[in-house]
Amino acid sequence: GAVVSQHPSWVICKSGTSVKIECRSLDFQATTMFWYRQFPKQSLMLMATSNEGSKATYEQGVEKDKFLINHASLTLSTLTVTSAHPEDSSFYICSASPDRALANYGYTFGSGTRLTVV
Amino acid sequence: GENVEQHPSTLSVQEGDSAVIKCTYSDSASNYFPWYKQELGKGPQLIIDIRSNVGEKKDQRIAVTLNKTAKHFSLHITETQPEDSAVYFCAASIGGTSYGKLTFGQGTILTVHP
Repeated sequence: GAVVSQHPSWVICKSGTSVKIECRSLDFQATTMFWYRQFPKQSLMLMATSNEGSKATYEQGVEKDKFLINHASLTLSTLTVTSAHPEDSSFYICSASPDRALANYGYTFGSGTRLTVV
Repeated sequence: GENVEQHPSTLSVQEGDSAVIKCTYSDSASNYFPWYKQELGKGPQLIIDIRSNVGEKKDQRIAVTLNKTAKHFSLHITETQPEDSAVYFCAASIGGTSYGKLTFGQGTILTVHP
């Protein structure tokens, strides 16, 4: 149980274009999902918290107009990297949990999306 | 906010040996401590977690210990195998009322030599 699916697994785009990444909870409803970014040989850094039916909460230093998050349903959150530039190239990962209190279930992560901007 | 420190950054062991990775956290309110294994090009996979009402938890070759007073927790892998080679991350979160954010350690690259 608690499967999180993320697509695409990798994407190459031209500088200046936008890219959308999808994160789906397959067997549970997720009112909240999290988006992380991971640069090579580094740890995961939280970018934003995606809330179903409301605005996302962004971490300090993350441009909300550049990284658009939409959480329109209880099983789908999308991250759109707008006007992508080479420095946006990274590994983007989402996570969610069926247990709001984390009392019996922790966070499951998607398989990640490798974004390369050329 | 929470700060999680993880050591060592790299760990090399022989197959069959034990491996220990240690983490410290700063926020005494944290009460959920997961460990993740990440293989190259993949998302993190939860391997074990512990909550602050428990001091130790074991799952076959993997165990985690928690010292709330000292604010540190450790991952123990016994009888290591080459397939255990990966990057391991510890994390801390405040669970209880709503989805708590995970703060990750810096990661440990574990290499198990056959």
